[in-house]
Amino acid sequence: DSGVTQTPKHLITATGQRVTLRCSPRSGDLSVYWYQQSLDQGLQFLIQYYNGEERAKGNILERFSAQQFPDLHSELNLSSLELGDSALYFCASSVSIADTEAFFGQGTRLTVV
Amino acid sequence: DAKTTQPNSMESNEEEPVHLPCNHSTISGTDYIHWYRQLPSQGPEYVIHGLTSNVNNRMASLAIAEDRKSSTLILHRATLRDAAVYYCILRGTQGGSEKLVFGKGTKLTVNP
Repeated sequence: DSGVTQTPKHLITATGQRVTLRCSPRSGDLSVYWYQQSLDQGLQFLIQYYNGEERAKGNILERFSAQQFPDLHSELNLSSLELGDSALYFCASSVSIADTEAFFGQGTRLTVV
Repeated sequence: DAKTTQPNSMESNEEEPVHLPCNHSTISGTDYIHWYRQLPSQGPEYVIHGLTSNVNNRMASLAIAEDRKSSTLILHRATLRDAAVYYCILRGTQGGSEKLVFGKGTKLTVNP
């Protein structure tokens, strides 16, 4: 158990809909990172938040947005969903220092039908 | 983001040592070298990291070249449970550069 909790574990929704994925970081970790992993694809970095503020942005679509709340949990919002958004979405947390490890959740599997 | 280069795949036999190479010729002086692995259907998990000196932990050893332009992850005795994709990542120390950017990694197959 990494200490990072992602909910829900599975999500099935229709095209055009909007979903919210939730991530609770490890206690004490100020940074949250979001990744997308499509079938047989690598892990694509989407976005990083540090103590409530956006810190780094990767290949995140405009239809996607994220935020980190005062209690440090984070949510990834995906809207106007397309079939191609079907993927595993991982959240990771760390103390945001390069000399430390990051911990990953077990992911949310999103299926868009 | 500084880039790393790894072989697409490697194969090993159970109980034998495995050396997974990584090239990072554009590494900056303050970048840490991190290794993560991803088992099938799981989230990535941390393996080891280092800056300049070789590092050992219960999972593996990390050998870092003197010029830091390459490193090698060493699994001393591969088991079937070590079959995974292994990622070598540079983690910077400046704001925003400590994010983990994954490449394609090396898919390790362990034969019984």
